[in-house]
Amino acid sequence: NAGVTQTPKFQVLKTGQSMTLQCAQDMNHEYMSWYRQDPGMGLRLIHYSVGAGITDQGEVPNGYNVSRSTTEDFPLRLLSAAPSQTSVYFCASSYSIIHSYEQYFGPGTRLTVT
Amino acid sequence: KNEVEQSPQNLTAQEGEFITINCSYSVGISALHWLQQHPGGGIVSLFMLSSGKKKHGRLIATINIQEKHSSLHITASHPRDSAVYICAVKISNFGNEKLTFGTGTRLTIIP
Repeated sequence: NAGVTQTPKFQVLKTGQSMTLQCAQDMNHEYMSWYRQDPGMGLRLIHYSVGAGITDQGEVPNGYNVSRSTTEDFPLRLLSAAPSQTSVYFCASSYSIIHSYEQYFGPGTRLTVT
Repeated sequence: KNEVEQSPQNLTAQEGEFITINCSYSVGISALHWLQQHPGGGIVSLFMLSSGKKKHGRLIATINIQEKHSSLHITASHPRDSAVYICAVKISNFGNEKLTFGTGTRLTIIP
């Protein structure tokens, strides 16, 4: 199993550009989520999904869209990048969130918006 | 006030020392996770617990539900244990399907 994969590892965007961060898992996990990590702050939930076709907002959803057309993939779209979105982004998955299973994290994407 | 507080924020110790990292939370939870973030940035899950104690190698995690407190202990610490340790809780609200994270404890073990 590859686990949770994320691409790209690094990205530089100009203000106003859009892009998609890719996330995939091969463990048949129901629950997938996107977090951002900023200095001095805990991981903050952007969006999450409890299964294909089902997504919901987390704590900091503004400026981001997600979709979950398959169990495996959960892409995060930045609609119009802003410097405030400079951060490290992590995708995570687990078998289920309702019954609290182990979380598996991707390697992260370091995004800089200039 | 954050729902999840970790202490200390930074900890430096000599190789071989017994390490304790604390996590306190202010709400009812259904589970608590301990995670390790390596200097390269990757995050791995160490423990998930909802009561009592779990042990894996030199790592021990305990939780006291009544006191809303968990500890992560490392015995015979080693420089490779240097990392950021993160506590996360799943709040006991049906439909609130998310984890809330502490800001982490940065541990440095000196040879």
